[in-house]
Amino acid sequence: ETGVTQTPRHLVMGMTNKKSLKCEQHLGHNAMYWYKQSAKKPLELMFVYSLEERVENNSVPSRFSPECPNSSHLFLHLHTLQPEDSALYLCASSQEGGTGAPGELFFGEGSRLTVL
Amino acid sequence: EDQVTQSPEALRLQEGESSSLNCSYTVSGLRGLFWYRQDPGKGPEFLFTLYSAGEEKEKERLKATLTKKESFLHITAPKPEDSATYLCAVLGDYKLSFGAGTTVTVRA
Repeated sequence: ETGVTQTPRHLVMGMTNKKSLKCEQHLGHNAMYWYKQSAKKPLELMFVYSLEERVENNSVPSRFSPECPNSSHLFLHLHTLQPEDSALYLCASSQEGGTGAPGELFFGEGSRLTVL
Repeated sequence: EDQVTQSPEALRLQEGESSSLNCSYTVSGLRGLFWYRQDPGKGPEFLFTLYSAGEEKEKERLKATLTKKESFLHITAPKPEDSATYLCAVLGDYKLSFGAGTTVTVRA
């Protein structure tokens, strides 16, 4: 495997379900991100894990819960979602500090989430 | 608050018809401007980083330029495989902000 891989690629869930999105990066980076992409809107940063510190967008509802067990793996736990949460969820990684360039993100192919 | 505006929203080109995409921005302390390409059903792919006004970067038929208020992505003699959504992002003092993108369609 190379780059950033996300599973599942597609997910349909009911409003009462609990599911998780998984992301794994094989680039040796030290920062990982969750972004939400809705049609015709800018990418919205949800969570960042950088140098083992978590930074979050305060506008993200608590029904989204991230987990980063190590620098290569990132999860997004989902529970009691709403239909407006339907979107493409993108995971990304980057190298912070040293020779890394903040803003040069490497994205996975995304998990397309549909909430019924 | 940092803002990034991309125009036009959509651009339809004939193969070989050169054109430019615009990314205008307001940011506190520009630390970098980034261009990405996104194909349908895939994540964005990093293209260029520009750090200061006057800087230019090129890759195949793409050329990115930067001024103090905006960046342009020039597509020279485009081919159908250049069809994609192009995203611009700026890194300010506190965060990375993305524009909504320009969707380019190149017809053979």
